[in-house]
Amino acid sequence: DSGVTQTPKHLITATGQRVTLRCSPRSGDLSVYWYQQSLDQGLQFLIQYYNGEERAKGNILERFSAQQFPDLHSELNLSSLELGDSALYFCASSPRDSYNEQFFGPGTRLTVL
Amino acid sequence: GQNIDQPTEMTATEGAIVQINCTYQTSGFNGLFWYQQHAGEAPTFLSYNVLDGLEEKGRFSSFLSRSKGYSYLLLKELQMKDSASYLCAAPYSGGGADGLTFGKGTHLIIQP
Repeated sequence: DSGVTQTPKHLITATGQRVTLRCSPRSGDLSVYWYQQSLDQGLQFLIQYYNGEERAKGNILERFSAQQFPDLHSELNLSSLELGDSALYFCASSPRDSYNEQFFGPGTRLTVL
Repeated sequence: GQNIDQPTEMTATEGAIVQINCTYQTSGFNGLFWYQQHAGEAPTFLSYNVLDGLEEKGRFSSFLSRSKGYSYLLLKELQMKDSASYLCAAPYSGGGADGLTFGKGTHLIIQP
């Protein structure tokens, strides 16, 4: 158990819909990262927040957005969902903002039908 | 981002040693990570190399050569539970404060 929690564990929805994934980092960690893992693309970095501020962007689509709240939990919002968005979404946290071990949550499996 | 390559799949025997290679091309090097991921589970951290050389941690060791853009993960005394994917990763932009770019992972199969 990494100490990072993610909800929900599974999510099934339809194309065109919008969903919100939630992540609580380890106690004391200020950085939160979101990753998408699909069979064809592998594990891809989406976005990072550090102490409430956006810190870095990766391959995040414009239909996706995220935020980190004052209590440091984070939410990833996915809108206008497409079949290709079906994937495992991981959240990770770390104490600082760079070059350190990241602790991954158990993931949310999103299925878009 | 960075460009990271590693073999897709490897097979080894229980009790043996296996070396998983990773080559990378990065813009501004800031270290190389290795993660282990069992099917359907979260990746877990194994090692982080920022200087050249071998770092040993129990049955697992990781090597880095910055001049060659090359790293390997060495697993000794293989156990059945070592069957997993092993992911090589580097900081996304190489400039600090960012996530990781992962290779596609090497699926390691351990046979009795």
